[in-house]
Amino acid sequence: EAGVAQSPRYKIIEKRQSVAFWCNPISGHATLYWYQQILGQGPKLLIQFQNNGVVDDSQLPKDRFSAERLKGVDSTLKIQPAKLEDSAVYLCASSLVGSGGVQGGQYFGPGTRLLVL
Amino acid sequence: GDSVTQMEGPVTLSEEAFLTINCTYTATGYPSLFWYVQYPGEGLQLLLKATKADDKGSNKGFEATYRKETTSFHLEKGSVQVSDSAVYFCALFTNTGNQFYFGTGTSLTVIP
Repeated sequence: EAGVAQSPRYKIIEKRQSVAFWCNPISGHATLYWYQQILGQGPKLLIQFQNNGVVDDSQLPKDRFSAERLKGVDSTLKIQPAKLEDSAVYLCASSLVGSGGVQGGQYFGPGTRLLVL
Repeated sequence: GDSVTQMEGPVTLSEEAFLTINCTYTATGYPSLFWYVQYPGEGLQLLLKATKADDKGSNKGFEATYRKETTSFHLEKGSVQVSDSAVYFCALFTNTGNQFYFGTGTSLTVIP
């Protein structure tokens, strides 16, 4: 079974530039999550989708961050414009519908490491 | 609100030493509890889980028991190896919140 795919793996941009990350979840996983992991901290949920609908985006800085999941499969996360404090690893994860606690948790991609200069 | 607190690192152990990483939680309802491991340059991987009180999760020699009375889920391994060097995250999932909450992570380094 293929895992969660993310691209790019690394990105370096200057502040005020835009950047986009892509995620392809495990086939059949209806729930998709984007996390921000700042160095030395645990992952922080940015947004959660179930199919192509948003379940929770309460911690997404909506003035600069946006995410979409067209057709309920792939997802993109965009930052526009980027700030220095956005430097972090952006993790995508997926799980079966409503099963985060029963079916073994979430499956994480390798992450995209973003550096904003 | 729901949260997870885990012991701060970094932790440095000699090979074959006993490992304990403490984790306590606060949650409404009945959460499921997890330990994830993150090897250098990689994403998080599920290490083990427990979905109800007194359950013991185990994998690769690691164990953790869901203790409702002490709201804890401490990670243990009897004999660590160099290959266990990684960052370990405790996490909980609640059906009420329908999301995961992660601890800040504990870095483990095992030296030969």
